[in-house]
Amino acid sequence: QQQVKQSPQSLIVQKGGISIINCAYENTAFDYFPWYQQFPGKGPALLIAIRPDVSEKKEGRFTISFNKSAKQFSLHIMDSQPGDSATYFCAASITGGFKTIFGAGTRLFVKA
Amino acid sequence: DAGVIQSPRHEVTEMGQEVTLRCKPISGHDYLFWYRQTMMRGLELLIYFNNNVPIDDSGMPEDRFSAKMPNASFSTLKIQPSEPRDSAVYFCASSWRSSGNTIYFGEGSWLTVV
Repeated sequence: QQQVKQSPQSLIVQKGGISIINCAYENTAFDYFPWYQQFPGKGPALLIAIRPDVSEKKEGRFTISFNKSAKQFSLHIMDSQPGDSATYFCAASITGGFKTIFGAGTRLFVKA
Repeated sequence: DAGVIQSPRHEVTEMGQEVTLRCKPISGHDYLFWYRQTMMRGLELLIYFNNNVPIDDSGMPEDRFSAKMPNASFSTLKIQPSEPRDSAVYFCASSWRSSGNTIYFGEGSWLTVV
C-alpha cells in the first residue's frame, strides 16, 4: 500500500514532442504528489508538485494531471528539449509526515 | 546558499571494510533523510530523523547498517562490514516543517564495494 508505481521505465521523444510519464498510488492518505528531476551525477531536485484539491497544475512547459478517483497522476512535458533529458521520479507523501515514497523512475531522452 | 553536503563523493572499498558516509544538512532544516539508489530498487528511504531523533528506520536493510545524528548539522551512515551488494549511490537529504514536504537532496556518495 506504500508503493508508487511509475511507467514507462524509459522514454525517447523527439525534440518538440510531448513527454508523458504516469504514476499510480494505493494509499489514499497521500496528499502531496511531487515530481523530482535528476541529472546524471546529481541528486534529485523538486520539479513540480500537486495536492489532490486540484486536478491540474502547470509551470511553464511542465504540467501535472491528477485523477483522485483513479489514484493516478502524470507529468506532461510540452515542447520537450534535449536539456530535459534526465531521470524523472514521481513521489507521494502525507503532509507533515515527510516519509516520501518514490516511484522507480523514468529515464527520458529527448532527441535533437 | 549551501545545499546538503555529502562526503565522500566517491568511495571504493574492499568487502568486509567499514564505510562511513557523512552529511551536513541545510542550516535550519530539522528533518534529515538517508536514501539509497540502485538500478534494481530505485530510490529507497533507509532512515529519517527529526530534530536529531530517528523517526523511522524501517528501510535500513540489516544490522550492518547504522545511522546517527549527534547534532543538527551532522549525520553519518555506517556500513560494517560492507558487502558488494551495498554498492549504490547514497543520498542524504534534508527538509523543514514549513517546506510543504519538499526534500532537498545532496549530490550523493557513490559507493563501490569490491
